[in-house]
Amino acid sequence: GAGVSQSPSNKVTEKGKDVELRCDPISGHTALYWYRQRLGQGLEFLIYFQGNSAPDKSGLPSDRFSAERTGESVSTLTIQRTQQEDSAVYLCASSLDRPLVSNQPQHFGDGTRLSIL
Amino acid sequence: AQSVSQHNHHVILSEAASLELGCNYSYGGTVNLFWYVQYPGQHLQLLLKYFSGDPLVKGIKGFEAEFIKSKFSFNLRKPSVQWSDTAEYFCAVQGAQKLVFGQGTRLTINP
Repeated sequence: GAGVSQSPSNKVTEKGKDVELRCDPISGHTALYWYRQRLGQGLEFLIYFQGNSAPDKSGLPSDRFSAERTGESVSTLTIQRTQQEDSAVYLCASSLDRPLVSNQPQHFGDGTRLSIL
Repeated sequence: AQSVSQHNHHVILSEAASLELGCNYSYGGTVNLFWYVQYPGQHLQLLLKYFSGDPLVKGIKGFEAEFIKSKFSFNLRKPSVQWSDTAEYFCAVQGAQKLVFGQGTRLTINP
């Protein structure tokens, strides 16, 4: 079966441009997470979607960042007016249900490496 | 707030040496604990996890970890490492849905 799929795998863009990153979770996974990993740092939580509940956006670093998810399918992470500090690997993960309820680990995609020139 | 600390940034060992990577966390509630591995050029993979029950958990590739609640620790161990274990290892703690990772430990195994 397919795992979590992210696209593009690499994105290079100029400062000030908008970018959109896509994540296809594992089919049937209700929970979806976005993380980012800057060079030399640990993963930072960005946003969490669980079914039809309101997303947990507490990790988004600024209002330039937004994410959408339609139902329990594809999610897109959008970064507007990109800055050089946005350069990072953006990772998406999905899990079957609420982690502390169903004890399902998160499955990660390969990530999108974003480079802002 | 949750936080995770991995004490070792870079560990260099020879093949067949024993390994222990430290991980401490801070969080006041119930947590799930994980170790992830990232081999060069690959995505994160789950090595092992602890949710409840026996605090000594065994994972893939001969790895194990012990949850010591009183010490807020979840150290990763392997009795005899191989060159193919060269990778970056991340400890992660999950409480209230958020997954928080440590900074990672780079493990280099010399043949």
